[in-house]
Amino acid sequence: GAVVSQHPSWVICKSGTSVKIECRSLDFQATTMFWYRQFPKQSLMLMATSNEGSKATYEQGVEKDKFLINHASLTLSTLTVTSAHPEDSSFYICSAIQVEAFFGQGTRLTVV
Amino acid sequence: DAKTTQPTSMDCAEGRAANLPCNHSTISGNEYVYWYRQIHSQGPQYIIHGLKNNETNEMASLIITEDRKSSTLILPHATLRDTAVYYCIVRVRGSNYKLTFGKGTLLTVNP
Repeated sequence: GAVVSQHPSWVICKSGTSVKIECRSLDFQATTMFWYRQFPKQSLMLMATSNEGSKATYEQGVEKDKFLINHASLTLSTLTVTSAHPEDSSFYICSAIQVEAFFGQGTRLTVV
Repeated sequence: DAKTTQPTSMDCAEGRAANLPCNHSTISGNEYVYWYRQIHSQGPQYIIHGLKNNETNEMASLIITEDRKSSTLILPHATLRDTAVYYCIVRVRGSNYKLTFGKGTLLTVNP
């Protein structure tokens, strides 16, 4: 199947700093990518839909000024968690669709 | 997207078949049944999908009832590495349509 790669796999940052997570489709182009967040023992919750060349679409309750999404090319979307706080600690996962949806390996963010 | 209902957890002995049920009684005519699984601390992995016919690939088989209101994912010879949360999702195929995840079924394969 198609390959979606996330970087980094895990990151620890201090409270108040910003963290950028990259999501790349390695062998296909993706005009749309999705960002999910998953808290321990919970299911994946869709945060936003990232559209190449246009603004992202955020799900209800997700702060667009806190979770900045950029989809500048057909193979790369980035999620920046701005002014991170401990409650932002979570597992962030991206996906891209090439007929079917393929997922990155996830990024474990810990804010201390 | 149509809502799906799955058991919270299931157990299976290693080497035996694992049969994971899913109810999707409100599925629309153009929606496919998809199965993904998530091994602990990894991103979800695509397993299989189907519309109305039974499907089989190298990972699993998918049995869809004639009325399409339910389906069963079959792992023919479960291994310890198949321990994961299995998600049954219905969506329109081929569109840039978001996937909505339910709680899934935690399958534990025991030695």
